[in-house]
Amino acid sequence: IVLTQSPGTLSLSPGERATLSCRASQSVDTYLAWYQQKPGQAPRLLIYDASKRATGIPARFSGSGSGTDFTLTISSLEPEDFATYYCHQRSNWPRGTFGQGTRLEIK
Amino acid sequence: EVHLEESGGGLVQPGGSLRLSCAASGFSFSDYDMNWVRQAPGKGLEWIAYISPTGNTIFYADSVKGRFTISRDNVKNSLYLQLQSLSDADSAIYFCARERAAYYDTNGSPAFDPWGQGTLVTVSS
Repeated sequence: IVLTQSPGTLSLSPGERATLSCRASQSVDTYLAWYQQKPGQAPRLLIYDASKRATGIPARFSGSGSGTDFTLTISSLEPEDFATYYCHQRSNWPRGTFGQGTRLEIK
Repeated sequence: EVHLEESGGGLVQPGGSLRLSCAASGFSFSDYDMNWVRQAPGKGLEWIAYISPTGNTIFYADSVKGRFTISRDNVKNSLYLQLQSLSDADSAIYFCARERAAYYDTNGSPAFDPWGQGTLVTVSS
């Protein structure tokens, strides 16, 4: 299963709304997660089950979608949110695939 | 606090071997599935290996099958990855990652949480 993320790079300013897309080549039901990765750091789980926030994740992060089309929304960008975001499907658990990433940069 | 810490990375020649370790703390290690994920420099994430809580069930990505071996020691709370027949394409940061939920928790779909900080493997002559 191939995950395609768009856009590749998103340039926004703090306070703006960010909308990141992830499209699967076939249905993954809701077996989709989103991770945030900052330079030199490990990925951090944000969303699992397509829409459930992981422990400690701020409410400005939300996920939606099912089947093949998914969205990660950051309602109002904070300076610490500028990072790379990956979607990840586990419909063929324990195997899985990641999207190629969306880099969210400060405009 | 839940914590994972990898070690064992380094510079190795093509065709060489290396053993990575991941020390777990802050949770009941024997209750969780564990994974290895790698990231080539400047690239995306690639899942490469999975092991069940008892170690009885193991899966590999096709890219490493037959060359890498995942194992665990539930007494030492440690996860391992033996790397063999290494090539340039194996150069990457290697992360260990725990499944989000214990084996007995079927609520919600699987995901990796947390991750270790990673250990760098460089394959070069």
